Amino acid sequence: KAGVTQTPRYLIKTRGQQVTLSCSPISGHRSVSWYQQTPGQGLQFLFEYFSETQRNKGNFPGRFSGRQFSNSRSEMNVSTLELGDSALYLCASSLLHGGAGELFFGEGSRLTVL
Amino acid sequence: KQEVTQIPAALSVPEGENLVLNCSFTDSAIYNLQWFRQDPGKGLTSLLLIQSSQREQTSGRLNASLDKSSGRSTLYIAASQPGDSATYLCAVDDSGNEKLTFGTGTRLTIIP
Repeated sequence: KAGVTQTPRYLIKTRGQQVTLSCSPISGHRSVSWYQQTPGQGLQFLFEYFSETQRNKGNFPGRFSGRQFSNSRSEMNVSTLELGDSALYLCASSLLHGGAGELFFGEGSRLTVL
Repeated sequence: KQEVTQIPAALSVPEGENLVLNCSFTDSAIYNLQWFRQDPGKGLTSLLLIQSSQREQTSGRLNASLDKSSGRSTLYIAASQPGDSATYLCAVDDSGNEKLTFGTGTRLTIIP
């Protein structure tokens, strides 16, 4: 059974650009969450999607957005990139929303903003 | 606001020893607690999930305990091996909706 797949694995952007990251959850999982990991702030929750609807959102500016498709795949977008957006972006999937279930993470997308 | 603390930040032990990693959280009203490991530059690997009604979970050489009333969890690793070297993270779900609050992790090094 394939795990959570994130693409691209690495990318480099410059300030002011925008970026889109993709996440394919484990087959059958319908909830997708996104986290940002930085050396200074650690792992922080960005948002969670279930049934193509954002169910929960962390404390990030509106430049961070996401969506989920009918096949449960999810994308997140960061617009007007800043140097501080450099981070490892991790996607996690779980079977349901609100099920207090186990989360399974992908390998992440490492974004470097120059 | 939930806060999760992991002490120590780093730990080195000789191969073969048993060890305990600690995790504490400030709000005891949690749905579950999950332990992960992270290898350098990699994603998170789920190790154990403990629901709020459970006291412990075991998987192979790993045993995790949960004491909600005191806001503590421990991860016990038996007979440590060099392959156990990684950063170990605990995370709590206090909303039941997949929003995890993570600790800062303990970087474990097993010395051959």
